[in-house]
Amino acid sequence: EAGVAQSPRYKIIEKRQSVAFWCNPISGHATLYWYQQILGQGPKLLIQFQNNGVVDDSQLPKDRFSAERLKGVDSTLKIQPAKLEDSAVYLCASSLRGLAGNSRFSYNEQFFGPGTRLTVL
Amino acid sequence: AQSVAQPEDQVNVAEGNPLTVKCTYSVSGNPYLFWYVQYPNRGLQFLLKYITGDNLVKGSYGFEAEFNKSQTSFHLKKPSALVSDSALYFCAVRDMGSGNTGKLIFGQGTTLQVKP
Repeated sequence: EAGVAQSPRYKIIEKRQSVAFWCNPISGHATLYWYQQILGQGPKLLIQFQNNGVVDDSQLPKDRFSAERLKGVDSTLKIQPAKLEDSAVYLCASSLRGLAGNSRFSYNEQFFGPGTRLTVL
Repeated sequence: AQSVAQPEDQVNVAEGNPLTVKCTYSVSGNPYLFWYVQYPNRGLQFLLKYITGDNLVKGSYGFEAEFNKSQTSFHLKKPSALVSDSALYFCAVRDMGSGNTGKLIFGQGTTLQVKP
């Protein structure tokens, strides 16, 4: 089975420019995650989608970051304008199931894409 | 608040020797614990998980992890290390806080260096 696809793999921009990342999850996976991984740290969740709805965006800097998953399949993450501290690897992950009938997640492993390494100069 | 700590930035071990990568956690309620591995320029790969049941969990590539509730630990182990095991390892706990969305909280990572 094909894995999580991300593009581009690398991006270099200057501060105050805009950038967008794309993610295509594993087919049939309802839940999609965007993580930010700063060098020397573990991944931090930015936003989580269940189909095309946002489940958690509590750690997304909404003044500059935005994300969408319009048809409940692939997703884009945008930064506008970028800051130096946005330099990081942006990881996309997906998992099979999300909200169950009683609104509790039954756990399924998250599968990660290769990431996009962003350098802001 | 849920959290996970990996006290060692780097672990060095000789090939063929046993390895241990340490992880401690802090959660309310019963923890869901995970280990992921990250090779250079690649995404995270799932190794194993503890949800319930046997305290010794077996995973991919010969790795196993021992859940210890009294010590709030979930150390990753392998009886005989390979040079190809050299990578960055992350421990994670499922966030059971408000919303219970199932998101993972990751430790800061431990670099494992296996020398021939």
